[in-house]
Amino acid sequence: ELKVEQNPLFLSMQEGKNYTIYCNYSTTSDRLYWYRQDPGKSLESLFVLLSNGAVKQEGRLMASLDTKARLSTLHITAAVHDLSATYFCAVLPNDYKLSFGAGTTVTVRA
Amino acid sequence: GAGVSQSPSNKVTEKGKDVELRCDPISGHTALYWYRQSLGQGLEFLIYFQGNSAPDKSGLPSDRFSAERTGGSVSTLTIQRTQQEDSAVYLCATQGQASNYGYTFGSGTRLTVV
Repeated sequence: ELKVEQNPLFLSMQEGKNYTIYCNYSTTSDRLYWYRQDPGKSLESLFVLLSNGAVKQEGRLMASLDTKARLSTLHITAAVHDLSATYFCAVLPNDYKLSFGAGTTVTVRA
Repeated sequence: GAGVSQSPSNKVTEKGKDVELRCDPISGHTALYWYRQSLGQGLEFLIYFQGNSAPDKSGLPSDRFSAERTGGSVSTLTIQRTQQEDSAVYLCATQGQASNYGYTFGSGTRLTVV
């Protein structure tokens, strides 16, 4: 059974500093997704990573994928308050059962 | 439609009653997933439909849960004899044929069993 592990599960960020969220998974896959969820809301797609070495950037967020290490990272540059949310990674294995990590709850403080 | 539509948005039901949750996918999207999210928790896979193939039901937690997808479009998740532990947000996600796009989630149905 595919296991998707995110860490940290909780992240308190200081405005202006840089942080990284890690997503490890246990089976071969070259398709990984990052989502954002605000409290009481549904999931919003952030990035789709489809190959080894893929790197995507949007604003202060950058995601990368290393399929050999079975690792994806979500890097946050110069954190700002509106990045406070829960971030999920999700992995699509060969059986198409899209599996999510437990989520990383991010709080950005002044 | 432009997005994935779920109804109802909120449902309060008495323990032991049956409930039906509906998901209207984006037109043309062939893949459809149901997930359950309990308060403060991650997403628990329930069931996956892909086109006309037999669904993957391996995530359904008990035989009280069932789902169908009519004509490859609208999907209904049915929970029979609801229990308090069924209280959660039920999310539907769909995707078109190209996997280079992310999965689009509906806004969910918040189910409360009292």
